[in-house]
Amino acid sequence: DVKVTQSSRYLVKRTGEKVFLECVQDMDHENMFWYRQDPGLGLRLIYFSYDVKMKEKGDIPEGYSVSREKKERFSLILESASTNQTSMYLCASSRAGKNTEAFFGQGTRLTVV
Amino acid sequence: AQSVTQLDSQVPVFEEAPVELRCNYSSSVSVYLFWYVQYPNQGLQLLLKYLSGSTLVKGINGFEAEFNKSQTSFHLRKPSVHISDTAEYFCAVSAINTGNQFYFGTGTSLTVIP
Repeated sequence: DVKVTQSSRYLVKRTGEKVFLECVQDMDHENMFWYRQDPGLGLRLIYFSYDVKMKEKGDIPEGYSVSREKKERFSLILESASTNQTSMYLCASSRAGKNTEAFFGQGTRLTVV
Repeated sequence: AQSVTQLDSQVPVFEEAPVELRCNYSSSVSVYLFWYVQYPNQGLQLLLKYLSGSTLVKGINGFEAEFNKSQTSFHLRKPSVHISDTAEYFCAVSAINTGNQFYFGTGTSLTVIP
């Protein structure tokens, strides 16, 4: 089975801190995604990556950056955390091309105080 | 681009009753369609998917969905729900020509009442 692992289930950070959310997948998937989930808004794509060192902005990239130095690892970075970034963050991965589905991690619930 | 509309944000239903969760999509190209379930404080788990072939798709936990191309719909159904089906359900699409991005609806919260 595909496994997508997010490094933390719960995080509490202070406003202005630099925050790293880590995600690792073990199925050699080309694509990796970071979503943000808020009540009533569903999942909104922050960034995705289709290869090592490649990234594309999603719908809400402002205030975030990403890093993909190795195929299995995709990091989301909040350069200076703000209270409006309090949310559930979900990482996902998928194979490139057709007939593919997304596999999700357990999520990281981030609270910025 | 693709988009997904889930028409009902909350659906309460009594235990052992049938349920239908509605999903409509818009796309200028052919799509793959998915339903995911999310239990509290967990990630999303795939329920079922439509890639091609039969328009009636069966998934896990007794759920099924029907792809209707003319109505651009992919409604999720279960003939008899259990308490354990209480969860958030998300419909998603991805384009056949790329398969690289997934677009999600805003979710439907299913509450099964004893």
